[in-house]
Amino acid sequence: GENVGLHLPTLSVQEGDNSIINCAYSNSASDYFIWYKQESGKGPQFIIDIRSNMDKRQGQRVTVLLNKTVKHLSLQIAATQPGDSAVYFCAENMGSGGSYIPTFGRGTSLIVHP
Amino acid sequence: EPEVTQTPSHQVTQMGQEVILRCVPISNHLYFYWYRQILGQKVEFLVSFYNNEISEKSEIFDDQFSVERPDGSNFTLKIRSTKLEDSAMYFCASRDRDISGNTIYFGEGSWLTVV
Repeated sequence: GENVGLHLPTLSVQEGDNSIINCAYSNSASDYFIWYKQESGKGPQFIIDIRSNMDKRQGQRVTVLLNKTVKHLSLQIAATQPGDSAVYFCAENMGSGGSYIPTFGRGTSLIVHP
Repeated sequence: EPEVTQTPSHQVTQMGQEVILRCVPISNHLYFYWYRQILGQKVEFLVSFYNNEISEKSEIFDDQFSVERPDGSNFTLKIRSTKLEDSAMYFCASRDRDISGNTIYFGEGSWLTVV
């Protein structure tokens, strides 16, 4: 049968540049969003999260922006480094009744050139 | 930093065989999860587990799958009769009680190849 694989969107940047990774989510009722980083052969690693009552949150070198009107999330990485090269996933909480079930989006591959 | 550990890191099994994937969550965590990731695709939720029972499961988690916490430390995923399409990386994850200020921690994964 036909093998259909998902080709990840790819963002290539130079070391030192700022990176912006975008994500569209599906559920307008989602109340909690998370960005994960996944390096090759490893499990997803938490980067930063944001609740739906906020539109911006900053961490160390990272900023997450949330636009609920258009159901859009972005991750900004300042002064991108080669070690930032990975696949980045946004996840929204799809759990019901107060439960917490991160549901992952498609992922974006970030390639940082030295 | 505490971590979730998974064994085996890689297993090759014949179609139709039973497989058990093992996980040791972080010791004071209360919520446990299994996710899978087919090669090149996104990470998919399978099941969540709390207070010794399944709290939520996805459509992928059919009767061929089961989870168990046989003692105070291990959390296992069993696939009763493996199919070719079960080939994937399986991630165990755990988290503490309250999601505010806490995160889900993922293990390194168990790569299952069904032949």
